[in-house]
Amino acid sequence: ETGVTQTPRHLVMGMTNKKSLKCEQHLGHNAMYWYKQSAKKPLELMFVYNFKEQTENNSVPSRFSPECPNSSHLFLHLHTLQPEDSALYLCASSQDLREDLWPQYFGPGTRLLVL
Amino acid sequence: DAKTTQPNSMESNEEEPVHLPCNHSTISGTDYIHWYRQLPSQGPEYVIHGLTSNVNNRMASLAIAEDRKSSTLILHRATLRDAAVYYCILQGGSEKLVFGKGTKLTVNP
Repeated sequence: ETGVTQTPRHLVMGMTNKKSLKCEQHLGHNAMYWYKQSAKKPLELMFVYNFKEQTENNSVPSRFSPECPNSSHLFLHLHTLQPEDSALYLCASSQDLREDLWPQYFGPGTRLLVL
Repeated sequence: DAKTTQPNSMESNEEEPVHLPCNHSTISGTDYIHWYRQLPSQGPEYVIHGLTSNVNNRMASLAIAEDRKSSTLILHRATLRDAAVYYCILQGGSEKLVFGKGTKLTVNP
């Protein structure tokens, strides 16, 4: 248990569906991240939030819509996804954005399959 | 271009030390060296990080070459639970961590 939980752990959705991934951290951290891990590809950073404000969007398609209502919760809203979006979606949190001081703590991920 | 170079895979035996190498010949003076690992079916997990001096914690040791162009993650006594993909990452300033392909470590009983 890392203190970062993600739900659901597995999700199958059609290309016309709308779904949301949820991440919650119980560590009192201020920064939260979404990553994508496709099969046989390195982790890709998608979004970064610090104190609920988005600080980074790595050219992610608009069919992925993040939401950070408070420092403990992070959502990833999904709509009209493509089969190539099938991947493991990982959430992480850290005390703040100083990577040299604070490590990131990752959740177990949501395994997404788009049909 | 990748900032670090790691072997694709390594094998070790249980209860023996493991030395995981990482080359980073283009490292700058302010780049930190981070190590994370990812166990099967889990998210990555922080292992250790350092700047210039060797570092030790309860999980591992990080040995950094004097010229900082390479480093080695040392697991002092491998267990089956240490089987994972190990990522060596350079990070400087306000840069975010960029994960590469890492080294897949297999631990034999």
